[in-house]
Amino acid sequence: GAVVSQHPSRVICKSGTSVKIECRSLDFQATTMFWYRQFPKKSLMLMATSNEGSKATYEQGVEKDKFLINHASLTLSTLTVTSAHPEDSSFYICSARPIRDDSGNTIYFGEGSWLTVV
Amino acid sequence: DAKTTQPPSMDCAEGRAANLPCNHSTISGNEYVYWYRQIHSQGPQYIIHGLKNNETNEMASLIITEDRKSSTLILPHATLRDTAVYYCIVRVGNYGQNFVFGPGTRLSVLP
Repeated sequence: GAVVSQHPSRVICKSGTSVKIECRSLDFQATTMFWYRQFPKKSLMLMATSNEGSKATYEQGVEKDKFLINHASLTLSTLTVTSAHPEDSSFYICSARPIRDDSGNTIYFGEGSWLTVV
Repeated sequence: DAKTTQPPSMDCAEGRAANLPCNHSTISGNEYVYWYRQIHSQGPQYIIHGLKNNETNEMASLIITEDRKSSTLILPHATLRDTAVYYCIVRVGNYGQNFVFGPGTRLSVLP
């Protein structure tokens, strides 16, 4: 199946600093990628939709200046958490859908990235 | 909001079939039923999806009722590694549309 890779899988950063999380589709191209956030024992919450070559679309309540998304190529999207605070600590997950998909537009997810802000 | 209803938790004995139900009574004619699962501290894993017909792959079978208002995911021989949260999602098969996750069903496979 299609593989989506995230890096880093775990990161600890100091409060006030910025951290970048990468999401790569390894064996397919994706015009659209999605970023989710998940708190412990909760379901995934969509943060934004990332479109290659254009601005991301953010869900209501998600600060676009805090969670910067860049989708520079058909295989890479990045999420930068700027001026991170402890409340930004969470599990961040990306997903991507292959451009060529004849079977119902399945979406594949990355392994997730744990962010801890201290 | 999620368009599906699933039981919050289920247990299954190892080696037995696990049958996970999902209600989607407001499903539209062009909406697919997708199943994903999430093992602790990992990203969701695609399992199977279908529109009208029953589907089977190497992981599971998906049974969709004739009126499409409900479906059942079947893991034919559950193992301890199948312990996870299982999400049933309905979604139009349009490129770019996101997936909305509900709380899912926490399946515990017991030895």
